[in-house]
Amino acid sequence: KQEVTQIPAALSVPEGENLVLNCSFTDSAIYNLQWFRQDPGKGLTSLLLIQSSQREQTSGRLNASLDKSSGRSTLYIAASQPGDSATYLCAVTDSWGKLQFGAGTQVVVTP
Amino acid sequence: DAGITQSPRHKVTETGTPVTLRCHQTENHRYMYWYRQDPGHGLRLIHYSYGVKDTDKGEVSDGYSVSRSKTEDFLLTLESATSSQTSVYFCAISARTGAQETQYFGPGTRLLVL
Repeated sequence: KQEVTQIPAALSVPEGENLVLNCSFTDSAIYNLQWFRQDPGKGLTSLLLIQSSQREQTSGRLNASLDKSSGRSTLYIAASQPGDSATYLCAVTDSWGKLQFGAGTQVVVTP
Repeated sequence: DAGITQSPRHKVTETGTPVTLRCHQTENHRYMYWYRQDPGHGLRLIHYSYGVKDTDKGEVSDGYSVSRSKTEDFLLTLESATSSQTSVYFCAISARTGAQETQYFGPGTRLLVL
């Protein structure tokens, strides 16, 4: 059974610092891995999707890496801003399109 | 938001009563999903659908049933609500953009079972 773990559960950084969020999974037979953002009381917004054959994806200040063999992904957010405060979730997709989520990392960026 | 709406957005009900949550999409996507989100657990898949009248169980399906009689609507029913079903429920669709398949989520329904 696939298990997805996100460490740390919460993170607080001053504005301008780079954020590093970690995600690990136990079964490397994944179709892809996604990073989502969730604001309080809201739904999820997809940030980046990495196919199983890819090593990384970039979008603006966001960069996500994937090491499938070791079961790890890292989301980097450069030069953090208070607007980056949210919960970040990673999810792995199996070949049937079903997602298995981690519990998330709650990020607070202080001005 | 991929044209996904959920109703109701908030509901308070009593133990033992039936509850139906509705997910509606406007873009004719084939795959639809119901998740629940609880503190410390992230999102967990309840049921999913891969077409009209085609549904299957997810990780936490006990106590829930679903129906999909039209492409645009996916209903989640709690036959007899229990306090352990107090949660936030999210509907999602799967959409292909180029070579990538991404899930898009609705705004969620907050359910409180007293």
